[in-house]
Formats: sequence, C-alpha cells, structure tokens
Amino acid sequence: GDSVTQMEGPVTLSEEAFLTINCTYTATGYPSLFWYVQYPGEGLQLLLKATKADDKGSNKGFEATYRKETTSFHLEKGSVQVSDSAVYFCAGGSTLGRLYFGRGTQLTVWP
Amino acid sequence: SAVISQKPSRDICQRGTSLTIQCQVDSQVTMMFWYRQQPGQSLTLIATANQGSEATYESGFVIDKFPISRPNLTFSTLTVSNMSPEDSSIYLCSAAGSRQGSTDTQYFGPGTRLTVL
Repeated sequence: GDSVTQMEGPVTLSEEAFLTINCTYTATGYPSLFWYVQYPGEGLQLLLKATKADDKGSNKGFEATYRKETTSFHLEKGSVQVSDSAVYFCAGGSTLGRLYFGRGTQLTVWP
Repeated sequence: SAVISQKPSRDICQRGTSLTIQCQVDSQVTMMFWYRQQPGQSLTLIATANQGSEATYESGFVIDKFPISRPNLTFSTLTVSNMSPEDSSIYLCSAAGSRQGSTDTQYFGPGTRLTVL
C-alpha cells in the first residue's frame, strides 16, 4: 500500500544550523504530500504541502520540493531557531482523503 | 483553514469504562477523521466519520470498540469503549474540505490525551 518513509530521529542542531529531514514516498499514483509539525503538548499543524511534481511548498522558512524522479519530499530550513524544536511528520494523501504518516522526527535546537 | 476543538483535552479513566470525545469544527466540512497516536509513535487512522451514515473503519479497528457519530457537517464524536491500558493514547480529530479549503488538506484538533489505569 501507499506509505512514506521518514528519516529517523532524534535530530539535534545548534541555532542557525541547516536542517534537512528526509522523506520518501511509495504510492501507486501521485499523491499530495505534506509536512506537519507537532509542538510539545499540542496537536498537529500543517506546515506546508505540495500537490504535484516539481511543486515547492514553503512556510516559516521551511521548504520542501515534490520530486517525482526520486519519490522524495525532503524538508529543509536554512537557519533553525530554538522555537523550531518539535516533532515533524511527513504525510501522503491517498484516495478518499485519507493520510498516511511517517514515524515522525524529533528536532531539538540548542541556543 | 478550519479551526477544530476537542473535548475533553485529557482524561484519566478506569479499566472497563467508556469515554466519548467530541470534535467541533468552526465551519462545515466535507470530511472528518479520527486518528490515534500512541506514546512516541506516529498517527494511525481509526476511521472516516461519514455524515448521516456509518463510519468507515480502517483495518484493525471495529465499530464495537470505537463507535463514531457524525450528526452534521461540523461535529463528530468518538467513543472508546470498554477501555484497557492499551487504549492509552492521544486521539485526534481532523477535518478537510471546508468552504475555503481543498479536500486533500486536513486540519487537526489539539487532541485528547487519554490515560487508562
């Protein structure tokens, strides 16, 4: 079935470091792809999305590009902040609106 | 985007009892879903809540254990029945297909943290 595979964590970075969290998908078609973020004690917030190949989603300095040739949707940020510390989930959208999630990557940013 | 609230935000329950979680959306939406997030794990879809008909359950989840209602386009409930400690999780409601949004983007409530003793 459809699935996403996400880089295992935890990831620990210093403030202003470059961030990459890898995500690859397996799907029979071309799903919409999403990154969600979960701050401590909170629900999931949509961070960004892309609906077709070569689309780039961006928000709050985060970016991810839908790469059909490598079936990837890697999350990047050029300079992380302490406030970016959270769990990041990659997700793909299947038929009938269902989402399938990766295992999540815990990011901790130190000042 | 849709704003989603859930009640209760957390609860501690005794084994063998049931808990009903409410999910309220601030606008009419086409689709509503219920997920479970076990401690330190990813999200697993329990079911799609269908307005005016029975919910559609994912493999491994059954109606007797997780009855779901969706009486209208803004509200749904999930009941966790005959609870055991293995049901201790965060339960999240999500919605998609609001007037301003597309059906492929889901927005999530803050979750209900359930502990079963």
